Amino acid sequence: SQQGEEDPQALSIQEGENATMNCSYKTSINNLQWYRQNSGRGLVHLILIRSNEREKHSGRLRVTLDTSKKSSSLLITASRAADTASYFCATERAGGTSYGKLTFGQGTILTVHP
Amino acid sequence: GAVVSQHPSWVICKSGTSVKIECRSLDFQATTMFWYRQFPKQSLMLMATSNEGSKATYEQGVEKDKFLINHASLTLSTLTVTSAHPEDSSFYICSATPGGGSNQPQHFGDGTRLSIL
Repeated sequence: SQQGEEDPQALSIQEGENATMNCSYKTSINNLQWYRQNSGRGLVHLILIRSNEREKHSGRLRVTLDTSKKSSSLLITASRAADTASYFCATERAGGTSYGKLTFGQGTILTVHP
Repeated sequence: GAVVSQHPSWVICKSGTSVKIECRSLDFQATTMFWYRQFPKQSLMLMATSNEGSKATYEQGVEKDKFLINHASLTLSTLTVTSAHPEDSSFYICSATPGGGSNQPQHFGDGTRLSIL
């Protein structure tokens, strides 16, 4: 069953603005990952943050992780029209049999208007 | 970087047909691959874990006789949807990662859109 929840479900902004998406999960995790999906395509990995990390940056992306609240956020700064896509968080559950097995959140549909 | 290729990208077939979808790791070996299913405007649901040289592990609620998985080599896993019906229409995506260990990003294929008439 899906354990992740994301909000908002949809986000519409203007180019140049920042976009923030939130993700919550329920179990202990090894890591939390963020992926991007363009319509009808596969997923592209954005960032992986381990359970002992609190913040991570990659270009215009900033991810935070709060394991006490079981939540994460993805911030995209200075958004561009090309950032329009669906964004998913995914967790790798802690435990020896779960390596690589991901549980996905419901996703946030981001639309960036030129 | 690690590349995962999926084929075909789109299949349209009649009800009752069996459909095979291939997932290949092009530049790395993958002892484990994962198969997901995604309905329109929904998230990905893990169907099964494909293990090279052994039986696949299916998630609860997924019919193993309906969705046959074969992982005969370190670079290829196949998913066969047997006797497909309209309710099997969906987007199927596979993933894999070099080394297969923990704390590694998954690399996804481009997906296969299956439409059963």
